[in-house]
Amino acid sequence: GQSLEQPSEVTAVEGAIVQINCTYQTSGFYGLSWYQQHDGGAPTFLSYNALDGLEETGRFSSFLSRSDSYGYLLLQELQMKDSASYFCAALNTGGFKTIFGAGTRLFVKA
Amino acid sequence: DVKVTQSSRYLVKRTGEKVFLECVQDMDHENMFWYRQDPGLGLRLIYFSYDVKMKEKGDIPEGYSVSREKKERFSLILESASTNQTSMYLCAVTSGTSGRRDTQYFGPGTRLTVL
Repeated sequence: GQSLEQPSEVTAVEGAIVQINCTYQTSGFYGLSWYQQHDGGAPTFLSYNALDGLEETGRFSSFLSRSDSYGYLLLQELQMKDSASYFCAALNTGGFKTIFGAGTRLFVKA
Repeated sequence: DVKVTQSSRYLVKRTGEKVFLECVQDMDHENMFWYRQDPGLGLRLIYFSYDVKMKEKGDIPEGYSVSREKKERFSLILESASTNQTSMYLCAVTSGTSGRRDTQYFGPGTRLTVL
């Protein structure tokens, strides 16, 4: 079957660094995306990795290792507004279908 | 940026009613998707469409159908609503060009309650 595993909850302190891991098991894997969703809002795109390695976008970075079927989202200099749910999502080779993980709820404390 | 709108933010229907959820995009994107989101389960794909009049089943199509008569509009239909279809429904759009299929643009969602 196809599935993505990520922790259900993570708690961190304002100003800290947090890493949200994602392992995947999918057929025809093409790339890994990350989305952020605040309560009551729609998911918004954060980053995408098609190749192994690190992609950096401001305070957020995303990493992919195809050989380990593993990726992570790294959030630096945490702010209270980063409290949200974060989803990893695997794009298949056809490019049409994306499988989402169940989401990680991040709580940022003062 | 792509703008995706959904016909209602909140909807309350009764068991057995036929329900239409509509999604409209303002860009000329080929691919449109319907997901439902439930606590602890993430987003699950119901149906998607990669062109007008084309549709493909996702992971949980039972109890749903879709219609795409125009490129900008993708409708989700619940033929006979049931209480287990109470959920948040999200529409998403991606570009058909190979370089940008990775980014899904979501609508605001419709929270459907079936009584």
